[in-house]
Amino acid sequence: GENVEQHPSTLSVQEGDSAVIKCTYSDSASNYFPWYKQELGKRPQLIIDIRSNVGEKKDQRIAVTLNKTAKHFSLHITETQPEDSAVYFCAANTGGFKTIFGAGTRLFVKA
Amino acid sequence: EAQVTQNPRYLITVTGKKLTVTCSQNMNHEYMSWYRQDPGLGLRQIYYSMNVEVTDKGDVPEGYKVSRKEKRNFPLILESPSPNQTSLYFCASSYREGTEAFFGQGTRLTVV
Repeated sequence: GENVEQHPSTLSVQEGDSAVIKCTYSDSASNYFPWYKQELGKRPQLIIDIRSNVGEKKDQRIAVTLNKTAKHFSLHITETQPEDSAVYFCAANTGGFKTIFGAGTRLFVKA
Repeated sequence: EAQVTQNPRYLITVTGKKLTVTCSQNMNHEYMSWYRQDPGLGLRQIYYSMNVEVTDKGDVPEGYKVSRKEKRNFPLILESPSPNQTSLYFCASSYREGTEAFFGQGTRLTVV
């Protein structure tokens, strides 16, 4: 069946460094790829998304890249800050109406 | 204020006792869905609804039921809860499929 693999499961960086989280998806009909941030005890919230007709999108310190041929997409956070510490989920909207999430990456930003 | 509201936030129940978790959105969204979140497994979709009276199974529908009689409400029903349904549940709504999902506050369910 369709699935989304996310790596790494845990990532620890020094404040000011960059963080990269990678996801691969299986359904070639997927056309929408959102990223959600979930702080401890809170609900997931969208931080950035990309559609299949775009290769890269940037919003201040956050960027997402998409490689449709390889079926993978990545989240890049530059100049990380302690408030970036959270769990990040990638997701892929399948060719149907389903949304498949990755297992999540716990990001620690050390001050 | 635009929001998705779930109730209750916390629930402890016994095996086999039917329960309903309510979900309501005030954004006139067409698409609604239910997820369960378990450690190491991320968010797994239980059921989704494309519009009133239109629902379909997600990846883990066994043991759950849903209904969409009104556009704003999408309750999750556990007819006979079992301990393996102990989890954190999120309802979410989107303007339509393939757009940003707005999540409710979550419902932490424990089945003993």
